[in-house]
Order: sequence, then structure tokens, then C-alpha cells
Amino acid sequence: GNSVTQMEGPVTLSEEAFLTINCTYTATGYPSLFWYVQYPGEGLQLLLKATKADDKGSNKGFEATYRKETTSFHLEKGSVQVSDSAVYFCALKNNNDMRFGAGTRLTVKP
Amino acid sequence: NAGVTQTPKFQVLKTGQSMTLQCAQDMNHNSMYWYRQDPGMGLRLIYYSASEGTTDKGEVPNGYNVSRLNKREFSLRLESAAPSQTSVYFCASSLSPPYEQYFGPGTRLTVT
Repeated sequence: GNSVTQMEGPVTLSEEAFLTINCTYTATGYPSLFWYVQYPGEGLQLLLKATKADDKGSNKGFEATYRKETTSFHLEKGSVQVSDSAVYFCALKNNNDMRFGAGTRLTVKP
Repeated sequence: NAGVTQTPKFQVLKTGQSMTLQCAQDMNHNSMYWYRQDPGMGLRLIYYSASEGTTDKGEVPNGYNVSRLNKREFSLRLESAAPSQTSVYFCASSLSPPYEQYFGPGTRLTVT
């Protein structure tokens, strides 16, 4: 079956620190991979996506590369800001099956 | 352009009561989805509708029913609420094939 595993939080960083949130997946075939972000009291928003192996998704300084050989899609940002504090979800879509990871709460302190 | 809207924002039910959560989108999307979000479990798909007139079960459909009323609207019904259905419910929509999903603001439901 399809599943997503992402690193447990919470993660607390100082402003300008480097961020990595690990995500690995299990799927048959060729899923699309996504990172979503959820700010307090809001729904999820798409942060970035990749639809095939070796694709790199990027947005707002965040990046993730679709690695089929390691079944991973790790989220990175070189220098986080206080405004990046949120919950981040890794997700995959395989045909009509959409699966989300449990979410990682990131807090960035000034 | 409102995107995806959900009503109500908050609801408290007693065990055994019924209610319908409403969702509407104004983006002319084909597909619509209902999820529940529970602490430590991410989002889990309850039902989805790939196009008007069709609905399919997701990962956790038991205790729920859905209706795709038209292209814009997709409702979720709890016939006999249980405390295990206490959760935050999100509606989402997307174009087909699997383009990005747009989420509503959520409904926080408590069943006592």
C-alpha cells in the first residue's frame, strides 16, 4: 500500500538556521510527492511538489528532491525565518489515493 | 474568489446526533475530498469525488456518508455521531489529473 513517514517533531530552530525535515514513502508505481504547510487556524497550503524521479520542487526558499532510489523527499531550507513557524506535511498521491505524513511542527525563534 | 469554503467552523454534538458538514468551491475543480485531521496522524482521506456524480471511499469511510450535490458542492454527513469522530475536518478540491489540492479552513467537531 501507499504510506508516508516523516520525522517527528517538534523542531525548534533559531532564525537563519538550516532546516531539514525528513520524509520517506512507500508506494507502488510512480506517485507524485508534495509538501504542504499549515499555519495556525488555517487549512493546508501547497508548498512545493515533484511529479517524477529526480525532479526538484522549490518555493519560498524551500526545496525537496524526489529520490526514487531512496524513496525520499526531504524538505530543506538554508535559512529559516520566524514566519516559517508552522506544521509541515509530506504527502503522496498515487492515482486517487492521497496519503499524508503525521506532520512536523516547526518553531523558529528570533 | 473565495476558494474552498466550509460551514460550520465549529460544532459540538452529543453522541447519536446527526449533522452535515458543507463544502463549496468556486474554482471549477472536478475533484473534491473530505479529510479528518487528528493529532499525530496527519490527514486521512474519508471520501472523495473524482467528478460530479461519482463518490468513492477513502482510507477511513466508516460512519460517514457523502453527497456530490453538483460540481461546486460536496457534503459530509455523520448519521450517528460517536466520540471517535471528534476531529478537525477539511474539505479540498483539485483539477484532474492529480494537480495540487486546495483546502478549506476546516471544521472543528467535538462529540461528547
